[in-house]
Amino acid sequence: DAGVIQSPRHEVTEMGQEVTLRCKPISGHNSLFWYRQTMMRGLELLIYFNNNVPIDDSGMPEDRFSAKMPNASFSTLKIQPSEPRDSAVYFCASSDGQGVTDTQYFGPGTRLTVL
Amino acid sequence: QKEVEQNSGPLSVPEGAIASLNCTYSDRGSQSFFWYRQYSGKSPELIMFIYSNGDKEDGRFTAQLNKASQYVSLLIRDSQPSDSATYLCAASFGNEKLTFGTGTRLTIIP
Repeated sequence: DAGVIQSPRHEVTEMGQEVTLRCKPISGHNSLFWYRQTMMRGLELLIYFNNNVPIDDSGMPEDRFSAKMPNASFSTLKIQPSEPRDSAVYFCASSDGQGVTDTQYFGPGTRLTVL
Repeated sequence: QKEVEQNSGPLSVPEGAIASLNCTYSDRGSQSFFWYRQYSGKSPELIMFIYSNGDKEDGRFTAQLNKASQYVSLLIRDSQPSDSATYLCAASFGNEKLTFGTGTRLTIIP
């Protein structure tokens, strides 16, 4: 059974470029979460969706970040324009969405480096 | 601002001993608490969750919750080198959203 799939696994780009990260949640899961992890700030929730609808985007750092979930099996996180301070590991996670004690299953992450 | 605090460590424990990891949280409205393990370069994976005061045991792992003191802990008995990882504490405030601590790095010394 496939877990959460993220692509690309590594991305190196130059400041000012657009970056798109992709996520395929576990089939049947209806909640999807985007996190960012850095040494300084730890693991931070950026945005989460339930049944493809954004529920809480209060963690999105600024307008340069946007996320979409056009269907139950795909989500994107876009950064435009990218800046060096966006360098981090970005994780996508999914869960059944049935309650507050649901297990969130994390994807392998995308390591983003902005030069 | 809802916060979850952990000692960043590193915490070094001899193999076979008990490792004790601690976490405090700022919001008394917190309802559920989670412990995740993250190996270097890997993604977090859930070890266990707890939402009632007291202890919850799962194999070598015991989670302890004290809501009056706003304190959560994770005990690992008979520590093994494979337990060496960063342990993340997370709290839920009534919905699916989790707030994570910055993690405690644990090293088990053979």
